[in-house]
Amino acid sequence: DVKVTQSSRYLVKRTGEKVFLECVQDMDHENMFWYRQDPGLGLRLIYFSYDVKMKEKGDIPEGYSVSREKKERFSLILESASTNQTSMYLCASSFSVTNEKLFFGSGTQLSVL
Amino acid sequence: QKEVEQNSGPLSVPEGAIASLNCTYSDRGSQSFFWYRQYSGKSPELIMFIYSNGDKEDGRFTAQLNKASQYVSLLIRDSQPSDSATYLCAVNDYNQGGKLIFGQGTELSVKP
Repeated sequence: DVKVTQSSRYLVKRTGEKVFLECVQDMDHENMFWYRQDPGLGLRLIYFSYDVKMKEKGDIPEGYSVSREKKERFSLILESASTNQTSMYLCASSFSVTNEKLFFGSGTQLSVL
Repeated sequence: QKEVEQNSGPLSVPEGAIASLNCTYSDRGSQSFFWYRQYSGKSPELIMFIYSNGDKEDGRFTAQLNKASQYVSLLIRDSQPSDSATYLCAVNDYNQGGKLIFGQGTELSVKP
């Protein structure tokens, strides 16, 4: 089974802090994604990556950056956390461009105070 | 802006009934369609996918796709309380291969 692991289940940070969310997948998937999920707004794509050192902006990239130094690891960075970034963050991966079935991690509930 | 639309619900059905969940999409070029189930407090899990017009059955679940009308549906037969969850429809963005667009999800409640 595909396993997508997010480093923290719950995280509490203060406004202005730099926050790192880590995600690791163990199935050699090419594609990795970061979503946030908010009540009433559904899943919104922040950033995605099709290959190592490659990244593409999603629908809501403002205030975020990403890093993919190794194929299995995709990090989401909040450069200066703000209260409106309080959300559930979900990492996902898929095998390839032509096989888009997404497998999600268990999520990180981030609270910014 | 490409869109995927679902009724947010909640959709309430009695145990043993058929639950019908619907989804419409705006991009005629979409080729892959997915249904994810998300239990409260959990992450989405893939339960069905369909690529061709018609029906695809997997146990109690049937996905139906009609590309001409741009809708995809999920039928759950013999609904169980354990089916109570939010069901997310996802459609691929053909012009950005591998990127899925999600609907907001339909909350299903199966009453014993």
